[in-house]
Amino acid sequence: DAKTTQPPSMDCAEGRAANLPCNHSTISGNEYVYWYRQIHSQGPQYIIHGLKNNETNEMASLIITEDRKSSTLILPHATLRDTAVYYCIAWASNSNSGYALNFGKGTSLLVTP
Amino acid sequence: NAGVMQNPRHLVRRRGQEARLRCSPMKGHSHVYWYRQLPEEGLKFMVYLQKENIIDESGMPKERFSAEFPKEGPSILRIQQVVRGDSAAYFCASSLGGIQTQYFGPGTRLLVL
Repeated sequence: DAKTTQPPSMDCAEGRAANLPCNHSTISGNEYVYWYRQIHSQGPQYIIHGLKNNETNEMASLIITEDRKSSTLILPHATLRDTAVYYCIAWASNSNSGYALNFGKGTSLLVTP
Repeated sequence: NAGVMQNPRHLVRRRGQEARLRCSPMKGHSHVYWYRQLPEEGLKFMVYLQKENIIDESGMPKERFSAEFPKEGPSILRIQQVVRGDSAAYFCASSLGGIQTQYFGPGTRLLVL
């Protein structure tokens, strides 16, 4: 799986959009970009994933650049409950690459009042 | 809530005892993954199982650790003769297929005294 690079920490004011960047310059054509978050010591929570096109669901939007070398997770209206560590993972959808999600260190997002 | 269930949520064992961690996947999911998170570290993959089969155990320590996912009942992660270094949060995830989104449970916190 491709290595991803994320800033170690970010701050965001409550009610504003939180834009979390991720670099994955070595991503291969069959690797999806997955985002999870872990709030305090809870289990990781799936947020969203995409391959080439931008994606949106009830939690967030995922913007993937045309060359797929980077992406941005957008939380449109951050709340205090969005404070968590956010993980960007490049994961191939075939058995040859294995099934493990490589969580890395992620970005610690602090949403402030 | 038909999410991934894990029990117990907290487990205390003395050195040398056995620890059994249980995971019930989401309804309809037949693929289970175990991850371990040591204090202040990221999640690390341990093992991937389908019903009655171990598919990938590349992250599992060679000794004292075993996992099963029987035809009936939950998946079990078993740690024999626990040591203090086994103290960690153990997370289970499940998916509909082997190359599909993994959804995580709340974890079991193991403390070895």
